[in-house]
Amino acid sequence: DVKVTQSSRYLVKRTGEKVFLECVQDMDHENMFWYRQDPGLGLRLIYFSYDVKMKEKGDIPEGYSVSREKKERFSLILESASTNQTSMYLCASITGGDTQYFGPGTRLTVL
Amino acid sequence: RKEVEQDPGPFNVPEGATVAFNCTYSNSASQSFFWYRQDCRKEPKLLMSVYSSGNEDGRFTAQLNRASQYISLLIRDSKLSDSATYLCVVNLGNQFYFGTGTSLTVIP
Repeated sequence: DVKVTQSSRYLVKRTGEKVFLECVQDMDHENMFWYRQDPGLGLRLIYFSYDVKMKEKGDIPEGYSVSREKKERFSLILESASTNQTSMYLCASITGGDTQYFGPGTRLTVL
Repeated sequence: RKEVEQDPGPFNVPEGATVAFNCTYSNSASQSFFWYRQDCRKEPKLLMSVYSSGNEDGRFTAQLNRASQYISLLIRDSKLSDSATYLCVVNLGNQFYFGTGTSLTVIP
């Protein structure tokens, strides 16, 4: 079974803090994704990576950066958290057959 | 214009009913299509891929109409456990585009 894990299920941070969200997959997948999910807006792609040290911007990259130093790990960084970044963050990795496997999500609240 | 559009519902149906969801996509170059299911406060999980020839998995049938750029999901003999949000997903290049989801509640 594919397993995608995320470092935290719930996180509360203050405005201006630097926030790290980690995602690890155990199936040697090349492609990994970070999304945020908000009511009425669905899942929106922040960044994706198709190989180690490679990254591509998604639809809403502003205020975020990513790091992929190892194949199994894809990190999302909020350089200076703001209240409008309060959201559910979902990481996914993908097989060659285009099936995405999601982590359990991190519900981030920025106060 | 959104890449993928879905009716958000909610759909409230009695047990045993048949319910259908539709989803439209805007880019004719879209390559692959999926339905995901998302339970409350959980991550999305693949329900089924959607092929031009149509595909069926038990009570679930998915159809793709490339000419009209829509995909559909039919659920027959609804169960209480089918209550969830159903997400339409379209793949274009390296990216996946999600609909906002259709909420289904099956009522006893």
